[in-house]
Amino acid sequence: GAVVSQHPSRVICKSGTSVKIECRSLDFQATTMFWYRQFPKQSLMLMATSNEGSKATYEQGVEKDKFLINHASLTLSTLTVTSAHPEDSSFYICSASTPDGLLRFGQGTRLTVV
Amino acid sequence: DAKTTQPPSMDCAEGRAANLPCNHSTISGNEYVYWYRQIHSQGPQYIIHGLKNNETNEMASLIITEDRKSSTLILPHATLRDTAVYYCIVRVGGGNAGNMLTFGGGTRLMVKP
Repeated sequence: GAVVSQHPSRVICKSGTSVKIECRSLDFQATTMFWYRQFPKQSLMLMATSNEGSKATYEQGVEKDKFLINHASLTLSTLTVTSAHPEDSSFYICSASTPDGLLRFGQGTRLTVV
Repeated sequence: DAKTTQPPSMDCAEGRAANLPCNHSTISGNEYVYWYRQIHSQGPQYIIHGLKNNETNEMASLIITEDRKSSTLILPHATLRDTAVYYCIVRVGGGNAGNMLTFGGGTRLMVKP
């Protein structure tokens, strides 16, 4: 079946540095990918919609200059957390829509900023 | 997308059927019912979806009421590995890649030995 691969699965970085998270659709092309964020014991919150070849669409309250999204190909979207701070520590999850309209999710990335 | 209501938590004995309810009384005619689950520290996993007919696959069965205002996900023989948060989501289906999923609180299913 359609697989979405996310890397890395966990990362620890120092405050003030930037971290890049990759999301790949392994066996299908995805013109649209979505990035979610999840805090402990809470549900997933949509951060942004990533469109191949164009600018991402951010949800209200999400800083586009802090969470840079690039969707340069039909199989890869990246989320870069710039100048990370401890409050950015969270579980980040990407998803992509398969050709038959199902949304498949990556394994998630646990980001810890120290 | 229509809003859904699910019980926050449920317990189920291992080997028994787990029946997870979902209310979606404002669902519109072109909206499907999707079920996903999220095991701790993993991304959500697709389980099943349907429009108005009951559906079954290797993971579960989905029973949708005739008026489509509620549905039940059935795990016929729950195992400890089925312990997870189960999300019921309604959205317009089909091949539109622009339709993201809006997650509610879900039901935390605990399967006990």
